[in-house]
Amino acid sequence: TQLLEQSPQFLSIQEGENLTVYCNSSSVFSSLQWYRQEPGEGPVLLVTVVTGGEVKKLKRLTFQFGDARKDSSLHITAAQTGDTGLYLCAGGIGGGADGLTFGKGTHLIIQP
Amino acid sequence: NAGVTQTPKFQVLKTGQSMTLQCAQDMNHEYMSWYRQDPGMGLRLIHYSVGAGITDQGEVPNGYNVSRSTTEDFPLRLLSAAPSQTSVYFCASSPGQGRSTDTQYFGPGTRLTVL
Repeated sequence: TQLLEQSPQFLSIQEGENLTVYCNSSSVFSSLQWYRQEPGEGPVLLVTVVTGGEVKKLKRLTFQFGDARKDSSLHITAAQTGDTGLYLCAGGIGGGADGLTFGKGTHLIIQP
Repeated sequence: NAGVTQTPKFQVLKTGQSMTLQCAQDMNHEYMSWYRQDPGMGLRLIHYSVGAGITDQGEVPNGYNVSRSTTEDFPLRLLSAAPSQTSVYFCASSPGQGRSTDTQYFGPGTRLTVL
């Protein structure tokens, strides 16, 4: 089993601040996905990155895949209360979704 | 489209009881899967299916059975519930044959407690 370590485990900040959360591994992944999960609901896909060094932006969210494809980061600019949730990264080995490894997640709380 | 639906939303069982968690999707997706989510453990794959009539084991299959008689439905059966199966269960579907780059659409989950 390939391990994905997410940090920090918990983060509570004020609305308007910036933040970065990390997803790290000693293994190389062919792809990496970020999901957001709200309480009582299933995860929802935010982005998929497949190329080392790739940067994708989704409004105030910026996702980066490390050059060596072993790590990824999610940066949120000017956080809003609606960004509150559990952020999960999932790394793919080879081609199949059955090979996805999920991290334990970062619990993010944005205080008004 | 309703997407992925799961029933029941909550369930309490006694040790040794059996039950079936239902999952249905209306997106005509070939790939469906079941995960369990436990505190401090992340999402772990139980079973998956790449199409009707085809199922395979994931990372934590013991104590669970699945079948896929139609494209739409993918029920998960607990044969003899144990306290270690207390968890939140998520069903997911994705288009194509379930590549790691495909979007997985998750249901709202079933919260199961085994006493």
